[in-house]
Amino acid sequence: EIVLTQSPATLSLSPGERATLSCRASQSVKSYLAWYQQRPGQAPRLLIYDATNRATGIPARFNGSGSGTDFTLSISSLEPEDFATYYCQQRRIWPPLTFGGGTKVEIK
Amino acid sequence: QVQLVESGGGVVQPGGSLRLSCAASGFIFPNSGMHWVRQTPGKGLEWVAFIRYDGDEKYYGDSVKARFTVSRDNSNNMLYLQMNSLRPEDTAMYFCAKDLIGSSSPFDHWGQGTLVIVSS
Repeated sequence: EIVLTQSPATLSLSPGERATLSCRASQSVKSYLAWYQQRPGQAPRLLIYDATNRATGIPARFNGSGSGTDFTLSISSLEPEDFATYYCQQRRIWPPLTFGGGTKVEIK
Repeated sequence: QVQLVESGGGVVQPGGSLRLSCAASGFIFPNSGMHWVRQTPGKGLEWVAFIRYDGDEKYYGDSVKARFTVSRDNSNNMLYLQMNSLRPEDTAMYFCAKDLIGSSSPFDHWGQGTLVIVSS
């Protein structure tokens, strides 16, 4: 099973600042990594798939990068609605499909 | 637009059974792979099960294998999860999710979830 480790667990930033979230895989997942955003009380929402592709309707301030074992989700300038928890997920080797433990982006 | 609506959650005793349903609309359900994903209260996400568009291929997470069964009714655009021998650790919000590509995720649409509580 591929283990995904996200860091940091919590990121405290102000609106307008840049956010950089990390996801590290226990073995190579090539580019088969997705990022999701989850706001409190809501279902997750797909942001990025296959490491760099924005999902339909996702604003350009969200960018994904990386390959192999190290991946980054960047949010160029935080909007109020971006304060949420973010999860990475791999589909390179499955079953099982696995998720990271999440990074909470909170208002500083 | 794509809609996924789960139902069937509730409180059940350990060892009991529950059947979750997911009503799909707004896309060609018979062409889509579907998943169940769960989230324990205050914690992260865990993939539970996958069923191929035609129902002929199914996969399960280790923690639910041999206890849970995923199925679908393409005539009525419905997805199901039969959960047997329930344990307290199965307590979670259960989401159905549509596969973007066809079989191996990512999950491009999610329902709002249905809560399952396993407790005596």
